[in-house]
Amino acid sequence: SQKIEQNSEALNIQEGKTATLTCNYTNYSPAYLQWYRQDPGRGPVFLLLIRENEKEKRKERLKVTFDTTLKQSLFHITASQPADSATYLCALGGNQFYFGTGTSLTVIP
Amino acid sequence: NAGVMQNPRHLVRRRGQEARLRCSPVKGHSHVYWYRQLPEEGLKFMVYLQKENIIDESGMPKERFSAEFPKEGPSILRIQQVVRGDSAAYFCASSPPQGGTQYFGPGTRLTVL
Repeated sequence: SQKIEQNSEALNIQEGKTATLTCNYTNYSPAYLQWYRQDPGRGPVFLLLIRENEKEKRKERLKVTFDTTLKQSLFHITASQPADSATYLCALGGNQFYFGTGTSLTVIP
Repeated sequence: NAGVMQNPRHLVRRRGQEARLRCSPVKGHSHVYWYRQLPEEGLKFMVYLQKENIIDESGMPKERFSAEFPKEGPSILRIQQVVRGDSAAYFCASSPPQGGTQYFGPGTRLTVL
């Protein structure tokens, strides 16, 4: 069965630094990969989608890379702010849709 | 534009009762997905529906759980004879006819006493 792994521990970084979150997967070849943000008590909010034939996608301070050979996606938040503190989920899409367990990010002022 | 709406936001049931969770997708979206999330765990896919059709229910327990998305009205996730282990947050998401990005509702938090 498919398996998705995100950063195993919570990530704490200093404000202004770049946060890098990792999503690794096995036993699946997704047509696309998405990143979502989830705040406590709320539903996930879509951030970015990257397709299997794309290497990199950017949106404002966010950047996503997708390496189908390594079966890995990296999610970067540059110039991080305390408001970026949340749990970030990666999700694989294709015939089915699978979510990782998420990485909790805390940006320290 | 109204996003995905779920109600109730909080639901308390006693063991053995039935729970009905409702989801109204984004206007124009014809695909609905239900997920369950336990504390400290990720979203677990349950079922994927299109209007009047269940496309994939591989993540849904075979017993006590059912889902529908009628031609008119919201999608319903129904849990019969609830047990304490059903306590969780249940999220609904919708996507446009061509699929792709899913937009999530705020969730229904079910507590079984």
